[in-house]
Amino acid sequence: KAGVTQTPRYLIKTRGQQVTLSCSPISGHRSVSWYQQTPGQGLQFLFEYFSETQRNKGNFPGRFSGRQFSNSRSEMNVSTLELGDSALYLCASSARQGDTQYFGPGTRLTVL
Amino acid sequence: QKEVEQNSGPLSVPEGAIASLNCTYSDRGSQSFFWYRQYSGKSPELIMFIYSNGDKEDGRFTAQLNKASQYVSLLIRDSQPSDSATYLCAFGNSGNTPLVFGKGTRLSVIA
Repeated sequence: KAGVTQTPRYLIKTRGQQVTLSCSPISGHRSVSWYQQTPGQGLQFLFEYFSETQRNKGNFPGRFSGRQFSNSRSEMNVSTLELGDSALYLCASSARQGDTQYFGPGTRLTVL
Repeated sequence: QKEVEQNSGPLSVPEGAIASLNCTYSDRGSQSFFWYRQYSGKSPELIMFIYSNGDKEDGRFTAQLNKASQYVSLLIRDSQPSDSATYLCAFGNSGNTPLVFGKGTRLSVIA
């Protein structure tokens, strides 16, 4: 079975721009979670989607949004980028909520 | 607030020794527990999960769960330099809430 894939792998943007990241879960997995990871910080939970519905949301500003499609693929969007948004963005999929999560390779976003 | 506490390390052990990583959690309703390994610049990869009190072994790795004391540990036997990484523990309590991750313990295995 193919693992979780994320595109793009690397991204460089400037302040004020917006960005869309994509995540394709493992086949058959319906739950997708997004995390932000910065140096020295743990995984910061962004949101979780299950069956196209956002089930949980972390403590991030409204500039961070996401969605899930009927095929379980998910996208997250960050608008009006700030320097502090530079991070590794990780997507994880699981068969069900609360189940074992499998991570994708991540998208490394650099905001200049 | 559900929390997971891990010693950030670094934990240094000589090659061939047993590395012991510990994690405590606050939510008594936790039902599932996970250990992930993350190499620098890479994404976390699942090492093992444990649901029941006691020990679970997988190769050189043993997870130990004690729900009464609210801690879970990971033992790595015959530690190798390739085990040098950050180890994250996580727990979940139901299908309606996201997994909660600790900040990780950095392990360094010295050859």
